[in-house]
Amino acid sequence: QVQLVESGGGVVQPGKSLRLSCGASGFRFSRYGMHWVRQAPGKGLEWAAFISFDGSKKDYADSVKGRFNISRDNSKNTVYLQMNSLRAEDTAVYYCAKWGVGGSYCDYWGQGALVTVSS
Amino acid sequence: EIVLTQSPGTLSLSPGERATLSCRASQSVSSSYFAWYQQKPGQSPRLLIYGTSSRATGIPDRFSGSGSGTDFTLTVSRLEPEDFAVYYCQLYGSSPATFGQGTKVEVK
Repeated sequence: QVQLVESGGGVVQPGKSLRLSCGASGFRFSRYGMHWVRQAPGKGLEWAAFISFDGSKKDYADSVKGRFNISRDNSKNTVYLQMNSLRAEDTAVYYCAKWGVGGSYCDYWGQGALVTVSS
Repeated sequence: EIVLTQSPGTLSLSPGERATLSCRASQSVSSSYFAWYQQKPGQSPRLLIYGTSSRATGIPDRFSGSGSGTDFTLTVSRLEPEDFAVYYCQLYGSSPATFGQGTKVEVK
């Protein structure tokens, strides 16, 4: 069965960096795009970033563009989110999600990693 | 950027009742790229519907999606106790992949 496991969350000071990882299993990772979606405490879902199956295409929400970088290592079945210049408003649970079959909806989600940006 | 507005914000219903959730886009969108998700407290979101009306794997047939243009609907024909949750609509296939703000379905 499909499993997505995020790691790397924690407490970080404003302006610092953090890298999230998402390990995938149960499907042919190299054939699917991946998303990062975040959810601030008590708030709704916000799409943050996307990467194509081979890493050749990337896209970001305006709120993270220029600060966050999504990447993947298909040999390790892992997708990453490098977060730089973190702000208090980046505090959220970050979910990785797998592209659906035939469309870029999110058909499977990880359990999430909490990132808290605070001094 | 297309904005998705969900209504109502909260829906108070009893088990067995029909739930109708609305999602309106700020401009006309392709119905091929519309999805609905369910999220329960402390859990990750779960895909219910994609392509406006296709149920995801394992989703009961009491969940159905419809719509076109700017107006999309998720219907739960008869609410089961496990259906009380927050529901989000999403437009995908374009940048950004926008979510609505959510509708909470609570027990009346």
